Amino acid sequence: DQQVKQNSPSLSVQEGRISILNCDYTNSMFDYFLWYKKYPAEGPTFLISISSIKDKNEDGRFTVFLNKSAKHLSLHIVPSQPGDSAVYFCAARRMDSSYKLIFGSGTRLLVRP
Amino acid sequence: KAGVTQTPRYLIKTRGQQVTLSCSPISGHRSVSWYQQTPGQGLQFLFEYFSETQRNKGNFPGRFSGRQFSNSRSEMNVSTLELGDSALYLCASSRGSGETQYFGPGTRLLVL
Repeated sequence: DQQVKQNSPSLSVQEGRISILNCDYTNSMFDYFLWYKKYPAEGPTFLISISSIKDKNEDGRFTVFLNKSAKHLSLHIVPSQPGDSAVYFCAARRMDSSYKLIFGSGTRLLVRP
Repeated sequence: KAGVTQTPRYLIKTRGQQVTLSCSPISGHRSVSWYQQTPGQGLQFLFEYFSETQRNKGNFPGRFSGRQFSNSRSEMNVSTLELGDSALYLCASSRGSGETQYFGPGTRLLVL
């Protein structure tokens, strides 16, 4: 049962434009969401997070939006840069005793110069 | 502050052998989680240790085991290696369970 889903395996955008990466979840017990970026042969790097009590969190070029009623979150990157090309994972934390982080399958972003 | 370190970075083993991977968390972090990433797969959770106790476990066979020491360093062991165990093994540390995890560079294991 895949509780965190990233339905787009890849995304290609032009440099300078907006990149929107999407993530859907099924478990209403999630209370904390995170985005990670991963380059090949490296470990994922934490980007930005959002608590379920908020609907938006911004950090520089990165903004995460949370729509709890739709069980959907998205990561916006504006403006996109070639160095942003990587695999992006969303993750969610269960609000129970396990506090386990559950990751999506990732979306590969390519920013074209 | 130093990041998460993992040793070794690369490893080649043959089927049937066993392997031990090591992870040193960020100073002050007490939780260590392990993940497996195979080509085309996302991050599959193996297990999490907090204060030397296994708190969570993923859906992996008993050949995969781990432990955590009093200094929060963690080791992961895979016995009776199979070809399908070839993967990037990632370790992540956090202050506590469920908090933001910071990943190490990973150990790439190749089983021949």
